[in-house]
Amino acid sequence: AQTVTQSQPEMSVQEAETVTLSCTYDTSESDYYLFWYKQPPSRQMILVIRQEAYKQQNATENRFSVNFQKAAKSFSLKISDSQLGDAAMYFCAYRRNTGNQFYFGTGTSLTVIP
Amino acid sequence: DTGVSQDPRHKITKRGQNVTFRCDPISEHNRLYWYRQTLGQGPEFLTYFQNEAQLEKSRLLSDRFSAERPKGSFSTLEIQRTEQGDSAMYLCASSPSSGTPYNEQFFGPGTRLTVL
Repeated sequence: AQTVTQSQPEMSVQEAETVTLSCTYDTSESDYYLFWYKQPPSRQMILVIRQEAYKQQNATENRFSVNFQKAAKSFSLKISDSQLGDAAMYFCAYRRNTGNQFYFGTGTSLTVIP
Repeated sequence: DTGVSQDPRHKITKRGQNVTFRCDPISEHNRLYWYRQTLGQGPEFLTYFQNEAQLEKSRLLSDRFSAERPKGSFSTLEIQRTEQGDSAMYLCASSPSSGTPYNEQFFGPGTRLTVL
Protein backbone atom coordinates (compact mmCIF):
# COMPACT_ATOMS: atom_id res chain seq x y z
CA ALA A 1 0.00 0.00 0.00
CA GLN A 2 1.08 3.54 -0.66
CA THR A 3 1.74 5.74 2.35
CA VAL A 4 2.68 9.38 2.52
CA THR A 5 4.47 10.76 5.56
CA GLN A 6 4.78 14.38 6.58
CA SER A 7 6.96 14.42 9.66
CA GLN A 8 6.50 18.09 10.53
CA PRO A 9 3.05 18.72 12.04
CA GLU A 10 3.83 22.42 12.40
CA MET A 11 6.30 24.84 10.88
CA SER A 12 6.80 28.57 11.12
CA VAL A 13 8.67 31.05 8.98
CA GLN A 14 9.36 34.75 9.09
CA GLU A 15 7.73 36.78 6.36
CA ALA A 16 10.04 37.06 3.32
CA GLU A 17 12.13 34.09 4.45
CA THR A 18 12.33 30.60 2.96
CA VAL A 19 10.85 27.44 4.43
CA THR A 20 10.99 23.80 3.38
CA LEU A 21 8.26 21.28 4.13
CA SER A 22 9.21 17.62 3.99
CA CYS A 23 7.34 14.68 2.54
CA THR A 24 8.32 11.07 2.06
CA TYR A 25 6.31 8.30 0.50
CA ASP A 26 6.41 4.58 0.16
CA THR A 27 5.68 2.85 -3.12
CA SER A 28 6.83 -0.02 -5.27
CA GLU A 29 5.68 1.75 -8.44
CA SER A 30 8.12 3.41 -10.83
CA ASP A 31 5.65 5.75 -12.46
CA TYR A 32 3.50 8.03 -10.36
CA TYR A 33 2.59 11.64 -9.65
CA LEU A 34 3.19 13.80 -6.62
CA PHE A 35 1.36 16.91 -5.52
CA TRP A 36 1.38 19.58 -2.88
CA TYR A 37 -1.98 21.02 -1.91
CA LYS A 38 -2.63 24.04 0.28
CA GLN A 39 -5.68 24.25 2.56
CA PRO A 40 -6.16 27.71 4.09
CA PRO A 41 -8.30 27.93 7.24
CA SER A 42 -11.95 27.27 6.41
CA ARG A 43 -11.22 27.33 2.71
CA GLN A 44 -10.95 24.69 0.06
CA MET A 45 -7.79 22.87 -0.95
CA ILE A 46 -5.96 24.23 -3.93
CA LEU A 47 -3.12 22.73 -5.90
CA VAL A 48 0.26 24.34 -5.32
CA ILE A 49 2.59 22.26 -7.44
CA ARG A 50 2.85 18.86 -9.11
CA GLN A 51 5.60 16.54 -10.27
CA GLU A 52 5.77 13.51 -12.56
CA ALA A 53 8.04 10.79 -11.23
CA TYR A 54 9.72 10.14 -14.55
CA LYS A 55 10.74 13.78 -14.92
CA GLN A 56 14.07 14.42 -13.27
CA GLN A 57 13.71 18.19 -13.38
CA ASN A 58 12.20 19.63 -10.23
CA ALA A 59 8.93 21.47 -10.73
CA THR A 60 8.74 25.20 -10.04
CA GLU A 61 5.75 27.51 -9.76
CA ASN A 62 6.75 31.08 -8.98
CA ARG A 63 7.84 31.12 -5.31
CA PHE A 64 7.15 27.40 -4.89
CA SER A 65 9.57 24.69 -5.89
CA VAL A 66 10.12 21.06 -5.06
CA ASN A 67 13.13 18.90 -4.37
CA PHE A 68 12.22 15.52 -5.79
CA GLN A 69 14.57 12.70 -4.85
CA LYS A 70 13.14 9.58 -6.45
CA ALA A 71 15.61 7.11 -5.00
CA ALA A 72 15.03 8.46 -1.51
CA LYS A 73 11.27 8.71 -2.13
CA SER A 74 11.33 12.28 -0.94
CA PHE A 75 9.32 15.23 -2.23
CA SER A 76 9.91 18.43 -0.26
CA LEU A 77 8.30 21.79 -0.92
CA LYS A 78 10.29 25.01 -0.73
CA ILE A 79 8.47 28.29 -0.33
CA SER A 80 10.63 31.33 -1.04
CA ASP A 81 9.89 34.89 0.02
CA SER A 82 7.11 33.68 2.33
CA GLN A 83 3.99 35.82 2.48
CA LEU A 84 1.25 36.07 5.07
CA GLY A 85 -1.13 34.47 2.62
CA ASP A 86 1.00 31.33 2.56
CA ALA A 87 -0.23 30.44 6.05
CA ALA A 88 -2.22 27.21 5.68
CA MET A 89 -2.15 23.45 6.03
CA TYR A 90 -0.02 21.88 3.35
CA PHE A 91 -0.71 18.35 2.22
CA CYS A 92 1.56 16.14 0.17
CA ALA A 93 -0.27 13.67 -2.07
CA TYR A 94 0.62 10.70 -4.22
CA ARG A 95 -1.18 9.10 -7.14
CA ARG A 96 0.11 6.08 -8.98
CA ASN A 97 0.07 6.25 -12.75
CA THR A 98 -2.69 3.71 -13.23
CA GLY A 99 -4.82 4.73 -10.27
CA ASN A 100 -7.34 7.43 -9.57
CA GLN A 101 -7.28 7.98 -5.84
CA PHE A 102 -4.90 10.29 -4.09
CA TYR A 103 -3.06 9.26 -0.95
CA PHE A 104 -2.50 12.20 1.35
CA GLY A 105 -0.10 12.83 4.20
CA THR A 106 -1.28 14.16 7.55
CA GLY A 107 -0.36 17.71 6.67
CA THR A 108 1.96 20.44 7.92
CA SER A 109 0.51 23.57 9.44
CA LEU A 110 2.54 26.57 8.28
CA THR A 111 2.52 29.82 10.25
CA VAL A 112 3.98 32.96 8.70
CA ILE A 113 5.26 35.44 11.25
CA PRO A 114 5.03 39.10 10.27
CA ASP B 1 -17.79 30.61 -10.45
CA THR B 2 -17.23 27.24 -12.07
CA GLY B 3 -15.46 25.49 -9.21
CA VAL B 4 -16.61 22.44 -7.30
CA SER B 5 -19.50 23.25 -4.99
CA GLN B 6 -20.87 21.29 -2.05
CA ASP B 7 -24.07 21.62 -0.10
CA PRO B 8 -24.61 22.02 2.77
CA ARG B 9 -21.39 23.49 4.12
CA HIS B 10 -22.27 22.44 7.66
CA LYS B 11 -24.58 19.79 9.02
CA ILE B 12 -25.36 18.98 12.63
CA THR B 13 -27.39 15.87 13.26
CA LYS B 14 -28.28 13.52 16.05
CA ARG B 15 -26.89 10.02 16.22
CA GLY B 16 -29.05 7.59 14.29
CA GLN B 17 -30.33 10.11 11.76
CA ASN B 18 -29.68 9.93 8.03
CA VAL B 19 -27.88 12.72 6.20
CA THR B 20 -27.29 13.45 2.53
CA PHE B 21 -24.68 15.69 0.99
CA ARG B 22 -24.52 17.01 -2.53
CA CYS B 23 -21.54 17.76 -4.76
CA ASP B 24 -21.59 19.63 -8.06
CA PRO B 25 -18.31 19.10 -9.94
CA ILE B 26 -16.75 21.38 -12.50
CA SER B 27 -19.04 20.99 -15.48
CA GLU B 28 -16.59 19.50 -17.97
CA HIS B 29 -15.12 17.02 -15.47
CA ASN B 30 -16.40 13.48 -15.75
CA ARG B 31 -14.46 12.10 -12.77
CA LEU B 32 -15.74 12.69 -9.26
CA TYR B 33 -14.31 11.66 -5.91
CA TRP B 34 -15.41 11.67 -2.30
CA TYR B 35 -12.95 11.94 0.58
CA ARG B 36 -13.32 12.12 4.34
CA GLN B 37 -11.05 14.31 6.44
CA THR B 38 -10.93 14.07 10.21
CA LEU B 39 -9.21 16.56 12.48
CA GLY B 40 -5.46 16.45 12.17
CA GLN B 41 -5.51 14.06 9.24
CA GLY B 42 -5.26 14.31 5.51
CA PRO B 43 -8.19 13.43 3.28
CA GLU B 44 -8.95 9.72 2.99
CA PHE B 45 -10.41 8.32 -0.20
CA LEU B 46 -13.97 7.02 -0.05
CA THR B 47 -15.17 6.47 -3.60
CA TYR B 48 -14.70 7.41 -7.24
CA PHE B 49 -17.07 7.86 -10.19
CA GLN B 50 -16.38 8.09 -13.86
CA ASN B 51 -19.50 9.56 -15.36
CA GLU B 52 -22.34 7.72 -13.62
CA ALA B 53 -20.36 4.56 -12.89
CA GLN B 54 -18.97 4.03 -9.40
CA LEU B 55 -15.64 2.41 -10.17
CA GLU B 56 -13.85 2.32 -6.84
CA LYS B 57 -14.94 2.10 -3.22
CA SER B 58 -12.73 2.22 -0.17
CA ARG B 59 -13.07 -0.22 2.70
CA LEU B 60 -13.80 2.93 4.72
CA LEU B 61 -17.14 3.10 2.94
CA SER B 62 -19.24 0.92 5.20
CA ASP B 63 -22.67 -0.29 4.16
CA ARG B 64 -24.18 2.70 5.96
CA PHE B 65 -22.63 4.89 3.28
CA SER B 66 -23.94 5.11 -0.25
CA ALA B 67 -22.97 7.40 -3.09
CA GLU B 68 -24.67 8.05 -6.38
CA ARG B 69 -24.09 10.04 -9.51
CA PRO B 70 -27.26 9.31 -11.47
CA LYS B 71 -26.72 11.37 -14.59
CA GLY B 72 -22.99 11.73 -14.50
CA SER B 73 -23.20 15.29 -13.22
CA PHE B 74 -23.83 16.00 -9.53
CA SER B 75 -23.30 13.36 -6.87
CA THR B 76 -24.84 12.61 -3.50
CA LEU B 77 -23.32 10.92 -0.49
CA GLU B 78 -25.76 9.49 2.05
CA ILE B 79 -24.91 8.27 5.51
CA GLN B 80 -27.57 6.21 7.22
CA ARG B 81 -27.88 5.76 10.97
CA THR B 82 -25.12 8.24 11.68
CA GLU B 83 -22.63 7.55 14.46
CA GLN B 84 -20.44 9.98 16.35
CA GLY B 85 -17.42 8.55 14.52
CA ASP B 86 -18.87 9.84 11.28
CA SER B 87 -18.16 13.40 12.38
CA ALA B 88 -15.70 14.74 9.82
CA MET B 89 -15.28 16.99 6.82
CA TYR B 90 -16.54 15.34 3.65
CA LEU B 91 -14.72 16.58 0.59
CA CYS B 92 -15.70 16.23 -3.02
CA ALA B 93 -13.25 16.61 -5.90
CA SER B 94 -13.46 16.38 -9.65
CA SER B 95 -11.02 15.96 -12.50
CA PRO B 96 -11.10 15.75 -16.28
CA SER B 97 -10.49 12.41 -17.94
CA SER B 98 -8.32 13.82 -20.69
CA GLY B 99 -6.01 16.69 -21.44
CA THR B 100 -3.49 16.13 -18.69
CA PRO B 101 -1.70 13.02 -17.42
CA TYR B 102 -1.67 14.40 -13.90
CA ASN B 103 -5.37 13.86 -13.30
CA GLU B 104 -5.08 16.57 -10.67
CA GLN B 105 -8.15 16.90 -8.58
CA PHE B 106 -10.02 20.10 -7.88
CA PHE B 107 -11.60 20.18 -4.47
CA GLY B 108 -14.80 21.67 -3.17
CA PRO B 109 -15.10 23.52 0.15
CA GLY B 110 -16.37 20.43 1.95
CA THR B 111 -19.34 19.61 4.16
CA ARG B 112 -18.56 19.54 7.85
CA LEU B 113 -20.68 16.94 9.62
CA THR B 114 -21.14 16.93 13.36
CA VAL B 115 -22.99 14.01 14.91
CA LEU B 116 -24.24 14.67 18.44
